[in-house]
Amino acid sequence: KAGVTQTPRYLIKTRGQQVTLSCSPISGHRSVSWYQQTPGQGLQFLFEYFSETQRNKGNFPGRFSGRQFSNSRSEMNVSTLELGDSALYLCASTSSAGTGINEQFFGPGTRLTVL
Amino acid sequence: DQQVKQNSPSLSVQEGRISILNCDYTNSMFDYFLWYKKYPAEGPTFLISISSIKDKNEDGRFTVFLNKSAKHLSLHIVPSQPGDSAVYFCAASRFGGGSNYKLTFGKGTLLTVNP
Repeated sequence: KAGVTQTPRYLIKTRGQQVTLSCSPISGHRSVSWYQQTPGQGLQFLFEYFSETQRNKGNFPGRFSGRQFSNSRSEMNVSTLELGDSALYLCASTSSAGTGINEQFFGPGTRLTVL
Repeated sequence: DQQVKQNSPSLSVQEGRISILNCDYTNSMFDYFLWYKKYPAEGPTFLISISSIKDKNEDGRFTVFLNKSAKHLSLHIVPSQPGDSAVYFCAASRFGGGSNYKLTFGKGTLLTVNP
């Protein structure tokens, strides 16, 4: 079974630009979560999507947004990039089979550098 | 306000000895805890979890202990192997209402196992 895939793996942007990152979950997984990892803050929850609806949201500004498609693939968008947005962005999928087990399977991440 | 804390940024142990990684949490609503391992340039990999109704869970060389009254959990690795060298993240969540898909992570502990 293929794992979580994220594209692109690396991205360089300049301040003020916007960026879109993509995540394809494990086949059959309907929940997709996004996290930001920085050296100072560790892994911080951005948002979670289930059945094309945002179900959970972290404490990030409105410049960070996302969506999920009917095939469970998800995208996140960051507008008006700031230097502090440089980070590893991780996507995770969960089977959400109703068992209560919520181990999340992570992709390799997209390394975003803002210059 | 950091709700999950890993106070040791790094830990070094000899191969064959026990590695003990610690994690403290402040939110008493957390009732499910997970440990993830992360190698450079890869996403976190799920290791082991524990529900708040238990105080111990074992999986091979990995054991997680939970002390609810102290809001403390620990991961024991016995025996430690050089391949265990990685960053270990503690994470916590709440059951129910879809909120179990939002993980709150600690900042991680870098474990180095020396041959």
